[in-house]
Amino acid sequence: DAGVIQSPRHEVTEMGQEVTLRCKPISGHDYLFWYRQTMMRGLELLIYFNNNVPIDDSGMPEDRFSAKMPNASFSTLKIQPSEPRDSAVYFCASSFTWTSGGFYEQYFGPGTRLTVT
Amino acid sequence: AQSVTQPDIHITVSEGASLELRCNYSYGATPYLFWYVQSPGQGLQLLLKYFSGDTLVQGIKGFEAEFKRSQSSFNLRKPSVHWSDAAEYFCAVGNSGGYQKVTFGIGTKLQVIP
Repeated sequence: DAGVIQSPRHEVTEMGQEVTLRCKPISGHDYLFWYRQTMMRGLELLIYFNNNVPIDDSGMPEDRFSAKMPNASFSTLKIQPSEPRDSAVYFCASSFTWTSGGFYEQYFGPGTRLTVT
Repeated sequence: AQSVTQPDIHITVSEGASLELRCNYSYGATPYLFWYVQSPGQGLQLLLKYFSGDTLVQGIKGFEAEFKRSQSSFNLRKPSVHWSDAAEYFCAVGNSGGYQKVTFGIGTKLQVIP
């Protein structure tokens, strides 16, 4: 498998513009996670989905952030309008549920480095 | 709520020396525990995990970790560090019931000097 795929790898945009980050999880995985990583705050969980349904979005910083998962193989994280403080590396990760009910480790994508000027 | 503490933000070791990175967790039941490594500009890669059974777990790249329930710890060790081990290391705890959620520590940045 190709692993978790994220696009774009780098994004530079101006304040006020809309930004869309994309993620393709590993085939067969039923969980998808979006994280944000900054020097100041470390790795923060923004939102996660199970079987395409958002389970917990309490980490989404504000209404400017939204995430969707229209099908099992695609998810987007959108920021509208973007602000300089949104500059960070955004990671997508996926995992799957064991048949016994436990869960497996998360597989991370390479990340999208977002710079908002 | 589950939480993870990595008390050392930055550690420097000499190449060939032994390494121990500390991790303490807080969780009411038996946790799922993980160590991940992140090289500069890369995503996180799993080093090892503990779910149940033997409390000493072996991982990739010669790393091991020991789960100590009495101390709520899951420290990462390596007997001899290589320059390529320089990276950031994250300890994480996952819940053992309901929807999956993994909480990551702040990370420990490892510097290896010749």
